[in-house]
Parts: sequence; structure tokens; C-alpha cells
Amino acid sequence: EVQLVESGGGLVQPGGSLRLSCAASGFTVSSNYMSWVRQAPGKGLEWVSVIYSGGSTYYADSVKDRFTISRDNSKNTVYLQMNSLRAEDTAVYYCASATRGGSSRAFDYWGQGTLVTVSS
Amino acid sequence: DIQMTQSPSSLSASVGDRVTITCRASQGISNYLAWYQQKPGKVPKLLIYAASTLQSGVPSRFSGSGSGTDFTLTISSLQPEDVAIYYCQKYNSAPWTFGQGTKVEIK
Repeated sequence: EVQLVESGGGLVQPGGSLRLSCAASGFTVSSNYMSWVRQAPGKGLEWVSVIYSGGSTYYADSVKDRFTISRDNSKNTVYLQMNSLRAEDTAVYYCASATRGGSSRAFDYWGQGTLVTVSS
Repeated sequence: DIQMTQSPSSLSASVGDRVTITCRASQGISNYLAWYQQKPGKVPKLLIYAASTLQSGVPSRFSGSGSGTDFTLTISSLQPEDVAIYYCQKYNSAPWTFGQGTKVEIK
């Protein structure tokens, strides 16, 4: 059974840092596209970042140069390092995976999400 | 970057009604388009991928169509359990942008 479990959320002050983790089971993260999607309170879904199976990484403009996505193949885990956090980064952060290829590569599995609150 | 625009932003329909939501891409994305359903307080769920392929386990009253820039999600007979926000998403290349969402309610 495929499962994604996020952790690492919490309360952080503006300008602070946080690292989110997404532990996967039932499939291999290094063979699939893994992404982070966030949802601010009462708002819609916002794509944040993706790491491709080949290792390429991409970011939304809103987080570029502040967030870094990475993976540890030995732990089958994906991370999101978040630096220089702002109030507008407050959201539930979901880990999502795209386990099919080509034009079928939508997010077919999602974690339960972890809440990040940026506030003084 | 390609923008994804959904319409309407919200709708209210009766049980049994046919409901259609549209999603327009600012540039062509072939069929790299997904639809997700998010019920209140729940995790988003994939409904349709490749513009028209139904995800396993999704009721057949849901269907998708379109290619290029214009896409639709149709619920053939609205049910009470379909109350949710529906999002389209492009995934042909980064950024994997979502539409702003369409809130579906029962009249």
C-alpha cells in the first residue's frame, strides 16, 4: 500500500527556518516525481516544488531561492527545507507523488499534510 | 508561465443535475491536465488525469474532456457527496499550476 507521511511542521518566527519530511512507503521516491503543494487557510491549492526522478528540481516563483527540495534515497524520504519564512508561507503543506509517466503523471497519492505557521 | 483559469468560481445545483466546470490554459498543454476533488477538511483526491482518464475507484458520473487549452469536468448527475471544491492542474512542465478552484454546493 502506498503511503506518504509528512512531518516537521510547526510554529516558526518570521525569518526562521523549518525542514519538512515526507516518508514514503509502497513505492520508491527516486523512481517517481515527488512534489510539495500547500494550502493557506481558506485558500486554494498552490504548487510549491517538484523533484523529478532524474533529480531536476523546480520551484514556484513565490518560494524560489528560499525553499529547497531534496530526497534521501536510502530513507525513501523527500524533504522541503524552508528558509527566510514569511507570514504568507503559513499553510498546510502536502507531499504528493506522481507514480505514472508521460501524460498520466498527475498526483495520484497525497499525504495528510503538515501545518506550518509563521508568526511572531 | 502558463495560467490556469477555472469557471465558474462557485455553483449551486440540485441533486441529479448535470454540472460542468471549465478550465482554460493560457497556452496549449496537450492533455497534461488533471482534476482533483477536495472535500471540506480532507486531502485532495485525483479524479481525472490525462484530461479524460478516470482514476481508479472514481464514480463513472465524473468525466473529463478537452485538449490544448480548453478542458471540462462534468458530473453527469450531482450527488450530495459531490459537495467539494474542484481544481484543475497542468503538469506538462513546471510550474505545475493549479486553477483557483470551483466550489460545488447543493441547492
